[in-house]
Amino acid sequence: QSALTQPRSVSGSPGQSVTISCTGTSSDVGGYNYVSWYQQHPGKAPKLMIYDVNKRPSGVPDRFSGSKSGNTASLTISGLQAEDEADYYCCSFAGSYTFVIFGGGTKLTVL
Amino acid sequence: QLQLQESGPGLVKPSETLSLTCTVSGGSISSSSYSWGWIRQPPGKGLEWIGSIYYSGSTYYSPSLKSRVTISVDTSKNQFSLKLSSVTAADTAVYYCARQSGTWGSDYWGQGTLVTVSS
Repeated sequence: QSALTQPRSVSGSPGQSVTISCTGTSSDVGGYNYVSWYQQHPGKAPKLMIYDVNKRPSGVPDRFSGSKSGNTASLTISGLQAEDEADYYCCSFAGSYTFVIFGGGTKLTVL
Repeated sequence: QLQLQESGPGLVKPSETLSLTCTVSGGSISSSSYSWGWIRQPPGKGLEWIGSIYYSGSTYYSPSLKSRVTISVDTSKNQFSLKLSSVTAADTAVYYCARQSGTWGSDYWGQGTLVTVSS
């Protein structure tokens, strides 16, 4: 099964909002509400930012939000801050054969 | 605070078996609410899920790696382990261990360990 499709890069200025898309199929993103998003700074382990499509773990700012429509999930970051500059990965449950599939990652640049 | 720590050789020869252990501290690995997984990231590339295990021993593997992967758990030591056989240079990556919820989100991660496959 192919990786979920994410844009290679997105950018925005401080204070603005950006949205990162994650497109899959009805066998993964579209079939289950088990989409998660991870933030990864260079040389660091990924950090869970969103789980179950739109839930935020404790400690994650409410500037981060998730949604899903059909086979596409989205991560929106509002009020961009310099520290949001990082790579972002989406992830979805993909059924009882593939189980877990990641997106290719999106590099967010804060201008 | 839950912590995970990977350990194992940083250099493995081609055709040999890569072996890593993840030690869990600050909590018990024996929870039916979570599975314990391995995820890897080749240098400069994206994340790839390898597989997961419950404390009961139930395992789930990526189809693309299933023929070469074994994940096991030792509840007495609060550890779980990864074995990847017949490695090639394509298996060079940072290997992470993580705790996964019932809906497959990974909320706690180890710091990662770089494993290089080279003669």
